[in-house]
Amino acid sequence: AQSVTQLGSHVSVSEGALVLLRCNYSSSVPPYLFWYVQYPNQGLQLLLKYTSAATLVKGINGFEAEFKKSETSFHLTKPSAHMSDAAEYFCAVSPPYNNNDMRFGAGTRLTVKP
Amino acid sequence: DSGVTQTPKHLITATGQRVTLRCSPRSGDLSVYWYQQSLDQGLQFLIQYYNGEERAKGNILERFSAQQFPDLHSELNLSSLELGDSALYFCASSPDSGEQYFGPGTRLTVT
Repeated sequence: AQSVTQLGSHVSVSEGALVLLRCNYSSSVPPYLFWYVQYPNQGLQLLLKYTSAATLVKGINGFEAEFKKSETSFHLTKPSAHMSDAAEYFCAVSPPYNNNDMRFGAGTRLTVKP
Repeated sequence: DSGVTQTPKHLITATGQRVTLRCSPRSGDLSVYWYQQSLDQGLQFLIQYYNGEERAKGNILERFSAQQFPDLHSELNLSSLELGDSALYFCASSPDSGEQYFGPGTRLTVT
C-alpha cells in the first residue's frame, strides 16, 4: 500500500518569498503523485501531477514539483508567493493506472503574510 | 470549474434523520468517488463506483451507502445522522487512469 506524509501542517511565508511544501511518499511500485490545492469553501483543484515522465513537473499558478526517487520526495515549490496562494495543499499518491487507490496526505495550510 | 457538480451546497438537518447527496461526474468519466472532510479527520475516502459497480471501499460507516446510476450520476445516502457526521462531503470523478476531479462539495450540518 502507498501513503504520503506532508511535513508541516502549517507553513507561513512572506509575500514574494519562496514557497516550499514538503511531501514524502511510500510506495511498493513506481507511483503517480499529485498536488491539489483547496481554497476556503471550495473543492480540491489539481495543481500538477507526476506520472513517470519528466521528474520536474510544472503546474498551474507558477507551482512546480520535483520527483526524487532517492529521497522518496515530491516537494512543491513556487519561487515567489502571492497573497492569493493562501490555501490548503494536499499531496496524493496512487499506483500507476489505478487511481481508485489514491491516498491523500493530511494537508498543509499555507499562510502568506503581506 | 472542474465539471463535477454536487447538490445541494448546504444541508442542515437534525440527528437521526436521513439525507441524500447528489453528484454528477464530468462528461465521459466512469469513476465516481466520495470523500468526507472534517477538521479532526481530514480528507477521508469513503467509496468508489465505476460504471455502476462498487469498485473500492474506504472508511465508510454502515449507516452510509451509495450508488451510481446508469447515467453515471451518484448518490450518497447518510442515515441515522449523528452530530459527528457534520462535515464537507466531496464527490470526485476520473477517467480510466489519472487524476481525480473534485466537485465543490456539500456542507452537511447535523444539529
